[in-house]
This record gives sequence, structure tokens and C-alpha cells, in this order.
Amino acid sequence: SQTIHQWPATLVQPVGSPLSLECTVEGTSNPNLYWYRQAAGRGLQLLFYSVGIGQISSEVPQNLSASRPQDRQFILSSKKLLLSDSGFYLCAWSAMSSPLHFGNGTRLTVT
Amino acid sequence: RKEVEQDPGPFNVPEGATVAFNCTYSNSASQSFFWYRQDCRKEPKLLMSVYSSGNEDGRFTAQLNRASQYISLLIRDSKLSDSATYLCVALTGGGNKLTFGTGTQLKVEL
Repeated sequence: SQTIHQWPATLVQPVGSPLSLECTVEGTSNPNLYWYRQAAGRGLQLLFYSVGIGQISSEVPQNLSASRPQDRQFILSSKKLLLSDSGFYLCAWSAMSSPLHFGNGTRLTVT
Repeated sequence: RKEVEQDPGPFNVPEGATVAFNCTYSNSASQSFFWYRQDCRKEPKLLMSVYSSGNEDGRFTAQLNRASQYISLLIRDSKLSDSATYLCVALTGGGNKLTFGTGTQLKVEL
């Protein structure tokens, strides 16, 4: 069966520090991969999605970036965090035209 | 206009009640639809897919109306454990992009 791993579960970072969140999927090949963010009390905002290695689509201009160095690895990064980057970050995978399956999420607090 | 819109609620209902949520979508090219459930401070989990003919899973019934561009979720005989936020999702972008509504909060009370 397919599993998705996302880490860390919680993170507290100072403003201006870098960020790297990693997500890996097991048990499937060539999945679509996604990064979402959910601010406190708000809906899910799609940040990036990828349909293959090195293929990244950005939905919202911001100081975040994403990379997919391997088929089942998706990384979310920032060179300098802002206070507004605080939120609940969710990695997800899907097969084509199928529902998403989420990781457990990373709760990021920028101080 | 948001691509997927939901009434945020909260819907406060007594245990055993029937409750219905509606969701509208703006992109007529949306191909598939889903309902997710999200508990507080947890990741969303797939509740059910929504099919054109309507579908039922136990106490849950989902309907799709393409002409009016809305989908619905009906929960019968509500349980305390049904308390959560319910997210409506539309699949577009050639099958690669899922857009979430902001969610409808349900609170089932004794």
C-alpha cells in the first residue's frame, strides 16, 4: 500500500532563517505531488504541484520554492522566512485524476 | 469569485439530526469532485468521491448537479464523532489540480 511521510511535525523558526520541508511517498510510481498551506482558521491554499521529476507548477507567487529531485521526493524551501509563512504545511500525493492523500503535516511557527 | 465556495458554518446540530452541506464551483471544466473531512489540527482525509449519479456510503450521501455547478453532502443520524470541518474539492487542470473550498464546520451536540 502507498504511504506518505512528511517531516518534521512541528517547527519553530526565526524570521529570516531558511526552511526545508521534505516529503516522500512509498508504494507508488510517478505520483502527482503537492504542497498546500493552511493558515490558522483558513482554507487550504495550493502552493506547488508536480507531475514529474523536475516539473514544478507554482500557484502563488511568494518567497517559497519547491523541488522534486527524485520521483517520490518533494521538497519545500525558503531562503528567508517571513512571519506570514507561519501555518500548517501539507504534502500530498495522487494518481492521475484521483483523490489526494495527505501526509500528517508540518506546523510551522515563524517568530 | 472563488473556484470552490462553501458556507463556513458552524452548523450546530443535535445528535441524530440530518444535516446537509452545499458547495458551488465556478469552473465548468471541473472533472471530479470529492468530500474531505478535517479534524482540528489534523490533515484532511478523504470522506468520499462524488459521482454524477449520486452515491451513498452508510450515513453519508453525496450528490452532483453539473447544470447548477454544485455538489452536496448529506449526513443522516449525526454522531458526536461527525464533528469536524468538511471540505469540498474540485479536480481541474487536466486531472492534476485539486482546489479546496474553505470548509464547513459541523458541531454535533448532545
